[in-house]
Amino acid sequence: EAQVTQNPRYLITVTGKKLTVTCSQNMNHEYMSWYRQDPGLGLRQIYYSMNVEVTDKGDVPEGYKVSRKEKRNFPLILESPSPNQTSLYFCASSHLPGQGAGEQYFGPGTRLTVT
Amino acid sequence: SQQGEEDPQALSIQEGENATMNCSYKTSINNLQWYRQNSGRGLVHLILIRSNEREKHSGRLRVTLDTSKKSSSLLITASRAADTASYFCATAPNQGGKLIFGQGTELSVKP
Repeated sequence: EAQVTQNPRYLITVTGKKLTVTCSQNMNHEYMSWYRQDPGLGLRQIYYSMNVEVTDKGDVPEGYKVSRKEKRNFPLILESPSPNQTSLYFCASSHLPGQGAGEQYFGPGTRLTVT
Repeated sequence: SQQGEEDPQALSIQEGENATMNCSYKTSINNLQWYRQNSGRGLVHLILIRSNEREKHSGRLRVTLDTSKKSSSLLITASRAADTASYFCATAPNQGGKLIFGQGTELSVKP
């Protein structure tokens, strides 16, 4: 089954404790992206990757890191989480965009709470 | 940066009625997409309409795009309780893979 998986699905942590949210897709997609979703703000892009070893900042990259060592995986790293990073996080993937973004496949989401 | 704005923010209808949601955007686009999100879950792609298209259908969904007014609408005909969800429009600029999402319309379909 074609899918994007994220782990963990729920996480409660404390300020400053490094964490990683994993994302994996089995569709051989080149493009992968991380979003955060907050009430009243919609979905905002954190980072994206056009292919292996190619990553770039989205609209809200501060406080996050990513890596793309393999095509299927795109982990999101919070080196020193803070309460304002409490949010619902989504990973998404798609085939390499042409002149515009194509259909994106979303993971189930990771609900993160930082106390 | 937020580009798409959906209207209304919330919509409540009875089963069998049609639901119409609107989306406005600010800059030129390559395509516009609509997604659905059940509460707390991942988004699911519904339909993509390119900038040179005016209307597109998929089952009970009908999407229109007016690039002169920079607006789009999503019509769900003969709605069902299972259509209850949030609906987002997302615009794709002419370059790159970025999608810019609006804040969504929360649709409630009462049995």
